[in-house]
Amino acid sequence: AQSVTQLGSHVSVSEGALVLLRCNYSSSVPPYLFWYVQYPNQGLQLLLKYTSAATLVKGINGFEAEFKKSETSFHLTKPSAHMSDAAEYFCAVSAGSGNTGKLIFGQGTTLQVKP
Amino acid sequence: EPEVTQTPSHQVTQMGQEVILRCVPISNHLYFYWYRQILGQKVEFLVSFYNNEISEKSEIFDDQFSVERPDGSNFTLKIRSTKLEDSAMYFCASNGWGGHEQFFGPGTRLTVL
Repeated sequence: AQSVTQLGSHVSVSEGALVLLRCNYSSSVPPYLFWYVQYPNQGLQLLLKYTSAATLVKGINGFEAEFKKSETSFHLTKPSAHMSDAAEYFCAVSAGSGNTGKLIFGQGTTLQVKP
Repeated sequence: EPEVTQTPSHQVTQMGQEVILRCVPISNHLYFYWYRQILGQKVEFLVSFYNNEISEKSEIFDDQFSVERPDGSNFTLKIRSTKLEDSAMYFCASNGWGGHEQFFGPGTRLTVL
């Protein structure tokens, strides 16, 4: 069975500082991995995805994530935080074979950006 | 840009009442999903739907829940007799053939009183 663990329910950084949101996964098959962002009172927006191509994945808004099979990790980073990055971030793994796979989400990490 | 839409944005109902949540997936997508997010908790899978039948359902998706694609565009989630614990944000999602990412709608906030 697949599972996702996000380390740290709350992360606080200063504007301009590095953002690092941690995600570890468990999967018995090669996983598809995703990061979604949720702004207050809004739905889920895809930031980036890993689907067995390049291990370093670049997404929207300057975010990127690196798939590390040996560490079963898919941490999300951004070199310089912006106030508009304040949101809830969810890591997810696809449990099925691509198209029909349900997404299993982590608990989420709230990112706070201080001026 | 195509997007998934959901109506209503907020539904308030009395315990024991039936509710229908509506979704319009992206038009050329084939796979449809419902998820829910109880306030302060993670997003949980409810059900997936393909080719006019349920592909997979979670333990949450009991006999009180049903899904339907009544026409070529709508995808609905029905809760027959709502409970207080059904209060949550319900998200619809879809993806197309060969696409791995799911596109989410803005959600319907269901409040059961």
